[in-house]
Amino acid sequence: QKEVEQDPGPLSVPEGAIVSLNCTYSNSAFQYFMWYRQYSRKGPELLMYTYSSGNKEDGRFTAQVDKSSKYISLFIRDSQPSDSATYLCAMSENNAGNMLTFGGGTRLMVKP
Amino acid sequence: GAGVSQSPSNKVTEKGKDVELRCDPISGHTALYWYRQSLGQGLEFLIYFQGNSAPDKSGLPSDRFSAERTGGSVSTLTIQRTQQEDSAVYLCASSPGSQETQYFGPGTRLLVL
Repeated sequence: QKEVEQDPGPLSVPEGAIVSLNCTYSNSAFQYFMWYRQYSRKGPELLMYTYSSGNKEDGRFTAQVDKSSKYISLFIRDSQPSDSATYLCAMSENNAGNMLTFGGGTRLMVKP
Repeated sequence: GAGVSQSPSNKVTEKGKDVELRCDPISGHTALYWYRQSLGQGLEFLIYFQGNSAPDKSGLPSDRFSAERTGGSVSTLTIQRTQQEDSAVYLCASSPGSQETQYFGPGTRLLVL
């Protein structure tokens, strides 16, 4: 069993839809949780970063962490075709820097 | 300003050959990371450099893999006697310190025939 599980998709939604992306994990020591967006043939870029449980909102993006269930989510409101990318969750025990453990990524396609 | 750059963008090699992949981190960033991303897989940590400290090599999959960082800046990942299973995208990232956001380069796509 992988330490971090993520449905690979692809997830196809119409423009304007609310998108829900999720990861589950097994290591209860993870405290820092991140979502990265990766466009085709590009490196990942950090979208959201949260510490411990709770919600964090940034524009159309909301990250949720439920440590009791070992489950994290990324919600995208009013999805746009430009949101089409692979979304990777990542987490670490000590801080947002080194020793990140990544999920396999979910490919999202937003159709106009 | 300039981001993390990697070269070459693509590399095709024959099984058994050695390859060198280069990473130029963001100027002033003290931490540098190498990851491997196989098709449909997440990023697999390979090695981590922080300043002048000894690198964390715990993610290197075999002794065919090595990396160095010269002058605290440019890094080279070397794969000796390449195997077909080494085919992947090799990503480099840098950060201002060990506890900060990692900025990724575009990756080098390696294909071993």
